[in-house]
Amino acid sequence: AQSVTQLGSHVSVSEGALVLLRCNYSSSVPPYLFWYVQYPNQGLQLLLKYTSAATLVKGINGFEAEFKKSETSFHLTKPSAHMSDAAEYFCAVTGIQGAQKLVFGQGTRLTINP
Amino acid sequence: EAGVVQSPRYKIIEKKQPVAFWCNPISGHNTLYWYRQNLGQGPELLIRYENEEAVDDSQLPKDRFSAERLKGVDSTLKIQPAELGDSAVYLCASSYDRGLAGEAFFGQGTRLTVV
Repeated sequence: AQSVTQLGSHVSVSEGALVLLRCNYSSSVPPYLFWYVQYPNQGLQLLLKYTSAATLVKGINGFEAEFKKSETSFHLTKPSAHMSDAAEYFCAVTGIQGAQKLVFGQGTRLTINP
Repeated sequence: EAGVVQSPRYKIIEKKQPVAFWCNPISGHNTLYWYRQNLGQGPELLIRYENEEAVDDSQLPKDRFSAERLKGVDSTLKIQPAELGDSAVYLCASSYDRGLAGEAFFGQGTRLTVV
């Protein structure tokens, strides 16, 4: 079974500041991990994914995430926040074997202050 | 290329009434998912199809929810009768590679309000 915990339901940063959104996972099998972004009244858009290749994954819009097995973490970062980054972010996990069920975290709402 | 199309975008119904949502996946995508997203929470899988076959419906409340995917393309999700607790956003997603659920593309969702 898999589960995801996102630390902090709401994160607020200033424009140009570092963005750090935290995600810890639990998985009984080697995981695939994902970050999705959801803008208001929109569906989910894939930002990046970890599929057991490189542990540092780069995604769209300048975001990246690092898979740390020892910490069971997959935190999302961006060096410099932009106003357009304001959205809801979801971390998700699935096992690489068995049922292809994508399990989402509760989400983190990112607010960017001018 | 058109994305995943869902309709309607918004629906308001009275409790005990039936409601149906429609999804047209990306052309060629064999896997289709229905998720429910409650306010302030992440999406939860209701049902997953591989072509016409429902391969995972363990989270679908079968007493009132039903789904179908005729001809392995479009899909319909139905609730009958609706309850107040069914108010949520219903998301449809599709993917081509059955081995990697995360490569799913999502529609804009249908926001259901039950009053």
